[in-house]
Amino acid sequence: EAGVAQSPRYKIIEKRQSVAFWCNPISGHATLYWYQQILGQGPKLLIQFQNNGVVDDSQLPKDRFSAERLKGVDSTLKIQPAKLEDSAVYLCASSLSVGLATGELFFGEGSRLTVL
Amino acid sequence: AQKITQTQPGMFVQEKEAVTLDCTYDTSDQSYGLFWYKQPSSGEMIFLIYQGSYDEQNATEGRYSLNFQKARKSANLVISASQLGDSAMYFCANGGATNKLIFGTGTLLAVQP
Repeated sequence: EAGVAQSPRYKIIEKRQSVAFWCNPISGHATLYWYQQILGQGPKLLIQFQNNGVVDDSQLPKDRFSAERLKGVDSTLKIQPAKLEDSAVYLCASSLSVGLATGELFFGEGSRLTVL
Repeated sequence: AQKITQTQPGMFVQEKEAVTLDCTYDTSDQSYGLFWYKQPSSGEMIFLIYQGSYDEQNATEGRYSLNFQKARKSANLVISASQLGDSAMYFCANGGATNKLIFGTGTLLAVQP
C-alpha cells in the first residue's frame, strides 16, 4: 500500500515569495491534515479536511496561508507571501475517517521550507 | 482545550535497558485517545502505540507499552530492551472526538552502546 506522498521535499525561497506544497493521501482516507513543525517543536495542526470540507482551520494564518482539497483526494497548501518565521517542515497526514475508531494518522515525509 | 506536556527534552539510555518517556495531558473531551509517534532524523513520523481513554488495559505493541494512569492524566511510553535504532525524537499526542492530534514538544532519546 502506497503511503502519503508529498512534494517537493525541499524548498528554499526568499521572504515575500510564494510557495505551494502538494499532498496525495493514502487511497480511501477521508481525512487529511496539514501540520507545521518548526525546528525543535512538535507538529502544530494548520488545517484538517474531511473529504473536501474543512473540519478545523483555527490555527491557519489565513492572511497568508491557504489550502484546498479538490475532489476530496489531493491537497495543496500555499503560502503567499512567505515570512522568515514560516521556515519549517510541512507535514501532511491522512486517516481513514474522523473519530478515534481508527486512531492512527499516517504521515508523509514532509516538505522542508527555508525562507531567506 | 487539549494540551500535552513532555517534560524531558532529552534522555539517555544504555542499549538493552528499559526507558520511560513521560507524558501528561489535559483535555475536556470525555472520550479521547493518546498516541506516541517516533520521528527519526529522516523526519518521518512513525506511529508506535495508541491508548483509548476507555481502554481498561494498558496498550502494548512489541517492545512498546503505554503506562496509562487516567486519574493522573499521564500516558508514559515504556520502551523495553532499547536498541540503537530507537534513537530518535518521541512525541506524545492527544486526539479528541475529531481525531485532531495535539502534539507535545517531544523527547530526544539517545541509546548508547
